Amino acid sequence: KQEVTQIPAALSVPEGENLVLNCSFTDSAIYNLQWFRQDPGKGLTSLLLIQSSQREQTSGRLNASLDKSSGRSTLYIAASQPGDSATYLCAVRRDYGGSQGNLIFGKGTKLSVKP
Amino acid sequence: NAGVTQTPKFRILKIGQSMTLQCAQDMNHNYMYWYRQDPGMGLKLIYYSVGAGITDKGEVPNGYNVSRSTTEDFPLRLELAAPSQTSVYFCASSSRYEQYFGPGTRLTVT
Repeated sequence: KQEVTQIPAALSVPEGENLVLNCSFTDSAIYNLQWFRQDPGKGLTSLLLIQSSQREQTSGRLNASLDKSSGRSTLYIAASQPGDSATYLCAVRRDYGGSQGNLIFGKGTKLSVKP
Repeated sequence: NAGVTQTPKFRILKIGQSMTLQCAQDMNHNYMYWYRQDPGMGLKLIYYSVGAGITDKGEVPNGYNVSRSTTEDFPLRLELAAPSQTSVYFCASSSRYEQYFGPGTRLTVT
């Protein structure tokens, strides 16, 4: 059974710091991995999606890497800002021979960036 | 292009009542999903559908039912609501690569 773990559960950093959020998964047979942002009481905003054949994806100050063989992904946030404060969710999509499996989610990392 | 829409945004139910959460997408996706999110937890799959007329159970289906009569709509039915069904419900649809989520329905059962 696929399990997704995110460490740390919560993180507080001063503004301007670079930071790394970690995600690990137990079954390397994934189709892709997606990072989401969730603000309190709100829905999910997709940040980055990495296909199983890719090693990393970048969008602005965000960089996500994927090491499928070791079951790990990291989300790197450069020059953090108070507006980055949110919960970050990692989710993996199962590989059913290319068909569209559901997402398995971690519990998230709650990030607080202090001014 | 509205993406994935959900109604209502909020609802309070009494124990034993029933209701239907509505979900619609305008992206012509065959795959649709219902998830629930409890406080401090990730999302868990309730039901999913691979096309009109085809649905299947996810990880936590007890107490729920679904139907899929059209590509666009995927309603979730709660029969005999229980306090354990207090949660935030998200509907999603899927392209080949990515899932797109609706804004969620916050449900409280008292």
